[in-house]
Amino acid sequence: DAGVIQSPRHEVTEMGQEVTLRCKPISGHDYLFWYRQTMMRGLELLIYFNNNVPIDDSGMPEDRFSAKMPNASFSTLKIQPSEPRDSAVYFCASSFVGNYEQYFGPGTRLTVT
Amino acid sequence: AQSVTQPDIHITVSEGASLELRCNYSYGATPYLFWYVQSPGQGLQLLLKYFSGDTLVQGIKGFEAEFKRSQSSFNLRKPSVHWSDAAEYFCAVGLMTTDSWGKLQFGAGTQVVVTP
Repeated sequence: DAGVIQSPRHEVTEMGQEVTLRCKPISGHDYLFWYRQTMMRGLELLIYFNNNVPIDDSGMPEDRFSAKMPNASFSTLKIQPSEPRDSAVYFCASSFVGNYEQYFGPGTRLTVT
Repeated sequence: AQSVTQPDIHITVSEGASLELRCNYSYGATPYLFWYVQSPGQGLQLLLKYFSGDTLVQGIKGFEAEFKRSQSSFNLRKPSVHWSDAAEYFCAVGLMTTDSWGKLQFGAGTQVVVTP
């Protein structure tokens, strides 16, 4: 298996632009997690899905952030409009029911100027 | 409330020396426990996990961890570190409440620097 796939690996955008981050979980996994990592705040869980349904989005910073999972093999995290304080590394991870072991993707490094 | 504490933000160790990273948790029951490693520019990789049974668990890359219920600890050890062990290490607890099933709560991480 190729593991969790994220794209793009790096994204540089200007303040106010829309940013879309993509994630393909490991086949057969039914949990998908979006995290954000910064020096100041560490690793934060933004939202997670079970069987494509959002279970907990309490970590989403504000309405500018949205996430979808239209099917079991694809999820997006969208920021609109983006702001410099959104600059961070965004990770996607997946796991399957009964096993808390989360498999992480390589991350997307987002820079908002 | 559940919490995971890694008391050491930064540790410097000489190559070939032993390493121990501390992790304490606060949780109402015996949780699932994990250690992850993050090399620079990489995602997190699972080193080892504890669900039940033998309290000393072996992981990848020569790491082991010991669960001590009385101390609410799950410390990570390696007898002899290699330069490639320089990374950030995260302890995590699996939350098993009805509304948190599947979630992991991560500690703040410990940065390990390996000197020649």
